[in-house]
Amino acid sequence: AQKITQTQPGMFVQEKEAVTLDCTYDTSDQSYGLFWYKQPSSGEMIFLIYQGSYDEQNATEGRYSLNFQKARKSANLVISASQLGDSAMYFCAMRGGIVQGAQKLVFGQGTRLTINP
Amino acid sequence: DADVTQTPRNRITKTGKRIMLECSQTKGHDRMYWYRQDPGLGLRLIYYSFDVKDINKGEISDGYSVSRQAQAKFSLSLESAIPNQTALYFCATSGQGKYGYTFGSGTRLTVV
Repeated sequence: AQKITQTQPGMFVQEKEAVTLDCTYDTSDQSYGLFWYKQPSSGEMIFLIYQGSYDEQNATEGRYSLNFQKARKSANLVISASQLGDSAMYFCAMRGGIVQGAQKLVFGQGTRLTINP
Repeated sequence: DADVTQTPRNRITKTGKRIMLECSQTKGHDRMYWYRQDPGLGLRLIYYSFDVKDINKGEISDGYSVSRQAQAKFSLSLESAIPNQTALYFCATSGQGKYGYTFGSGTRLTVV
């Protein structure tokens, strides 16, 4: 079974600083995908970044990068130059192996990030 | 229009009532999912379907049922709502490719 662990329930960061949100995962699958989503107070789930298990380079999307350490089974999200609008809940998720053709996302508990001015 | 539309957006219902949450999508995806979000627990899978003829239970299916009326429509029902089913419910779809997941805006359900 797949499992995602986010050990930081809440984080407080000064505006313009970089922030790292931790995510570790557990799976026996060889092929898997890792996702990060942002959930602002309005509630919608916003896709941020994706890393495939066979991708050799760390994924980057603008100010977001994913620090993928496969041997350690970690997939930390790095936000550079944080902005007030980055205040939100952040979820790490994993797509496990294909079961009956469906690819289920398994989510961590989330980290609430607060950016202080 | 949104790719994945959930109705209603908010609902307050009484204990014991039957309620249906609806989801429709224009992505053309075969796979559809219902998730539930509770504070501190992330999103947990209730049911999923990879085509109209296939319905599968997720990790927390007790007290829920679903119907896949068409490729584009996937409804979640609470047969007899109870207060601990108060949560934020998300419908999602996935297709081919690594970016395949699309979430609806969520339905905030309160059972009193």
